[in-house]
Amino acid sequence: EAQVTQNPRYLITVTGKKLTVTCSQNMNHEYMSWYRQDPGLGLRQIYYSMNVEVTDKGDVPEGYKVSRKEKRNFPLILESPSPNQTSLYFCASGEQGSSYNEQFFGPGTRLTVL
Amino acid sequence: AQTVTQSQPEMSVQEAETVTLSCTYDTSESDYYLFWYKQPPSRQMILVIRQEAYKQQNATENRFSVNFQKAAKSFSLKISDSQLGDAAMYFCAYRLRPSGSRLTFGEGTQLTVNP
Repeated sequence: EAQVTQNPRYLITVTGKKLTVTCSQNMNHEYMSWYRQDPGLGLRQIYYSMNVEVTDKGDVPEGYKVSRKEKRNFPLILESPSPNQTSLYFCASGEQGSSYNEQFFGPGTRLTVL
Repeated sequence: AQTVTQSQPEMSVQEAETVTLSCTYDTSESDYYLFWYKQPPSRQMILVIRQEAYKQQNATENRFSVNFQKAAKSFSLKISDSQLGDAAMYFCAYRLRPSGSRLTFGEGTQLTVNP
């Protein structure tokens, strides 16, 4: 089954404790992206990657890191989480190219930073 | 920078009735896509319908249709014969071509369907 998976689905942590949210897709997509969803703000892009070893900042990259060492994986790293990073996080993937290709979303990760 | 605005934080509709969700966007580009996503309580993001900016004909998917007004930069979603399962948060989104460009989302509209 074609899908984007994220782990963990729920996480409660404390300020300053490094964490990683994993994202993996099995569709051989070049493009991957991370969004955060906050009430009243919709989804905002954190980082994206056009291919292996190619990453770039989105709208709200502060406090986050990413890496793309393999095509299928795109982990999101919070090296020193703070309470304002409490949010719902989505990973998405899609094909590159000039014609329309749908982006597929993972199930979301609910993060609480105390 | 592109922006997407949904001015209705909440909407409600009676089962079997029709409801229209509003969306406006701002862009200087001419070649782009517009989308409506549904997010039920499961939080999964589900693509409902999409519109290509170069197409004048409004997109339709079963009970869902859009009213795309390119000059006015307006992209509303009409849900006909509303069902209880339509209750969800709905997001309007914009994306430049080519594929892989980021999605810019609106704030969302929470739709309640009353039995």
